[in-house]
Amino acid sequence: DSGVTQTPKHLITATGQRVTLRCSPRSGDLSVYWYQQSLDQGLQFLIQYYNGEERAKGNILERFSAQQFPDLHSELNLSSLELGDSALYFCASSLSGGSTTGELFFGEGSRLTVL
Amino acid sequence: GQQVMQIPQYQHVQEGEDFTTYCNSSTTLSNIQWYKQRPGGHPVFLIQLVKSGEVKKQKRLTFQFGEAKKNSSLHITATQTTDVGTYFCAGYGGATNKLIFGTGTLLAVQP
Repeated sequence: DSGVTQTPKHLITATGQRVTLRCSPRSGDLSVYWYQQSLDQGLQFLIQYYNGEERAKGNILERFSAQQFPDLHSELNLSSLELGDSALYFCASSLSGGSTTGELFFGEGSRLTVL
Repeated sequence: GQQVMQIPQYQHVQEGEDFTTYCNSSTTLSNIQWYKQRPGGHPVFLIQLVKSGEVKKQKRLTFQFGEAKKNSSLHITATQTTDVGTYFCAGYGGATNKLIFGTGTLLAVQP
């Protein structure tokens, strides 16, 4: 158990819909990262937050948005969903952020299926 | 943007054979991390290398960071069925705060 909690574990929805994925980081971790993993693909970096502020941005679509709340949990909002958005979405957390950061602790992921 | 490639994409070995995956970055890395993802699981941190030319060992696993800090390798001696999974390298490039993952190498071990 990494200590990172993601909900929901599975989500099935239709094209055009909007979903929210939630992540609770490990106790004491200030940074939250979101990664997308499509079938048989690698881990694509979406976005990182540190203590409530956006720290780094990857190739995140404009239809996607995220935020980190004062209690440090984070939400990833995906809207106007397309078939190609079907993927496993991982949240990870770390104590700090930036290039001096040590290991990332990953949650078990939220599997999104868009029909 | 920064790209991190790994080769091979897939390797199938007999149990007891050695295995190596190579990681190459388009930019100089401040450090390199390695993760293992079991089938159906989530990535789990293995190790972090920081210094140029650094070599670290964990039992049957040997990790190297290149002198130019643009490449790395993971070598597993005498593979076991428990080594099955996808191995990812990940690194911070240049001034970016983005931890970019490599494309991954899927290791299959036949008993």
